[in-house]
Amino acid sequence: AQTVTQSQPEMSVQEAETVTLSCTYDTSESDYYLFWYKQPPSRQMILVIRQEAYKQQNATENRFSVNFQKAAKSFSLKISDSQLGDAAMYFCAYLAGGTSYGKLTFGQGTILTVHP
Amino acid sequence: DAGVIQSPRHEVTEMGQEVTLRCKPISGHDYLFWYRQTMMRGLELLIYFNNNVPIDDSGMPEDRFSAKMPNASFSTLKIQPSEPRDSAVYFCASSRRLAVYEQYFGPGTRLTVT
Repeated sequence: AQTVTQSQPEMSVQEAETVTLSCTYDTSESDYYLFWYKQPPSRQMILVIRQEAYKQQNATENRFSVNFQKAAKSFSLKISDSQLGDAAMYFCAYLAGGTSYGKLTFGQGTILTVHP
Repeated sequence: DAGVIQSPRHEVTEMGQEVTLRCKPISGHDYLFWYRQTMMRGLELLIYFNNNVPIDDSGMPEDRFSAKMPNASFSTLKIQPSEPRDSAVYFCASSRRLAVYEQYFGPGTRLTVT
């Protein structure tokens, strides 16, 4: 079974600084997707960024970028120029292709605090 | 686009009562997912549907839980009888067939069973 591990229960960053959230996963699949979701206090799950495993290039979305290390099964999220609105719980998630298509597996989450 | 709609947003009920959570997926989406979020277990997939047909219900915790999707625009998750350990936030999500990797989540229903 696939597992997703976020080893940092909590992280903090100063406004305008950069922070990196860590995620590792375990899978025997070759076709899969990785995601970072943001859950603010409103509890709405918001997709931040997506990475297809077959793509070598790291995904970027404005201030958010990932470092995808397929061999190491590592998928970290970098937030640049942190803003107060970035404060939230962040979840790393895995979605397999093939017969398990559609099943998202989430990590335990990392609470990010942004200090003004 | 209205997004995924869930009702109610909050539900408080007594142990033993029947609870029904409702979800309206985004129009045109073929897949619908039910997730549960608790402090102990995090976010976990309970069941998902493709074209109104349940595909995988291996995450449903026990027979007290049931889910239906009578048509493409409506799904229910029912707990009967409810227990305090069912207290959680329940999310519904939907996606298009050609983009199952992009799941859109509803705002969730916070269920409290006393």
